[in-house]
Amino acid sequence: DADVTQTPRNRITKTGKRIMLECSQTKGHDRMYWYRQDPGLGLQLIYYSFDVKDINKGEISDGYSVSRQAQAKFSLSLESAIPNQTALYFCATSAGLAGGTDTQYFGPGTRLTVL
Amino acid sequence: AQKVTQAQTEISVVEKEDVTLDCVYETRDTTYYLFWYKQPPSGELVFLIRRNSFDEQNEISGRYSWNFQKSTSSFNFTITASQVVDSAVYFCALSEERTDSWGKLQFGAGTQVVVTP
Repeated sequence: DADVTQTPRNRITKTGKRIMLECSQTKGHDRMYWYRQDPGLGLQLIYYSFDVKDINKGEISDGYSVSRQAQAKFSLSLESAIPNQTALYFCATSAGLAGGTDTQYFGPGTRLTVL
Repeated sequence: AQKVTQAQTEISVVEKEDVTLDCVYETRDTTYYLFWYKQPPSGELVFLIRRNSFDEQNEISGRYSWNFQKSTSSFNFTITASQVVDSAVYFCALSEERTDSWGKLQFGAGTQVVVTP
């Protein structure tokens, strides 16, 4: 089984709908991250969490919220989806053993389309 | 400002050719880490290497090698004797050690490698 799983893998929704993307990990890592990928722009950090009680905004947090339900679970919500949130979303984890520079391991991605 | 630049948008090679992917980074920190990830057509991101700023030794892993040069702020990646399975988008990324940068992995735009038989 994959160490980092994301559900759903694909989602098509309409403008204005609330959407939740979920991430679970079995790596035992404390740190979790959400990124979005747009063509030609690499990945951009949305939110990150260094432990269950720690949530931080990334570069592009507007329009998104997160919840860290447990060490192993980190969900991303779009309260009112808009078309320019159409993207590939990745969850990542890291062990937190090397300050802030440890290796991040990524889930398979969720392809979200907002019509 | 873009901190990681991958100037090559796409590189096309024929199988068995070598291919070098350029990565130029920008940081004021003395301690930082550089990464390469591979994104095959299936979409997942696969970690390839992590290198710290104090280790300028080149690294080789099978057909993959990395050339880190602090003097030119570059961390280039070479695939030797390319194979069709190497077709993917490759991302270079930077992570800075200072506390206010923790967790902020900064990616380049990626280079698409197309290997044809």
